[in-house]
Amino acid sequence: EAQVTQNPRYLITVTGKKLTVTCSQNMNHEYMSWYRQDPGLGLRQIYYSMNVEVTDKGDVPEGYKVSRKEKRNFPLILESPSPNQTSLYFCASSLTRQNDEQFFGPGTRLTVL
Amino acid sequence: KNEVEQSPQNLTAQEGEFITINCSYSVGISALHWLQQHPGGGIVSLFMLSSGKKKHGRLIATINIQEKHSSLHITASHPRDSAVYICAAEMDSNYQLIWGAGTKLIIKP
Repeated sequence: EAQVTQNPRYLITVTGKKLTVTCSQNMNHEYMSWYRQDPGLGLRQIYYSMNVEVTDKGDVPEGYKVSRKEKRNFPLILESPSPNQTSLYFCASSLTRQNDEQFFGPGTRLTVL
Repeated sequence: KNEVEQSPQNLTAQEGEFITINCSYSVGISALHWLQQHPGGGIVSLFMLSSGKKKHGRLIATINIQEKHSSLHITASHPRDSAVYICAAEMDSNYQLIWGAGTKLIIKP
């Protein structure tokens, strides 16, 4: 089944404790991205990747890191989480960046205390 | 001013009603995406269109490039259509997606 998976689905952590949210797709997509969704603000892009070893900042990259060592995986790293990073996070992928259907992961609800 | 505006923000209707959700954008686009987010949070793509009209089951999406406006219609609405509907404009300059804030739809039985 074609899908984007994210783990964990739910995470409660404390300020400053490094964490990684994994994202994996099995569709051989080139383009992957991370979004956060906050009430009243809609989806905001954190980082995106056009292909392996090619990543770039989105609209709200501060406090986040990503890597793209393999085509299928695009982990999101919070080196020192803060409470303002409490949010619902989505990983998404598409075949390319241009004019292609977006496939979303199930979301990760992160709470930073 | 947001580059992508959706209306209404919230919509409550009775089962069976014809539903229209609007999306206006101010940028040049290569495509317009409509997505659905269910109460559980999952987001699925409904349509991607650059001109005219697309239909899938009871859902119809239209776009008017000259007026920079797209609509999502649901015929014979059902409670299972209750969800947040999001439009996103794909900019023709760099293919970045500009997201609308979403329309929360509730269909009452």
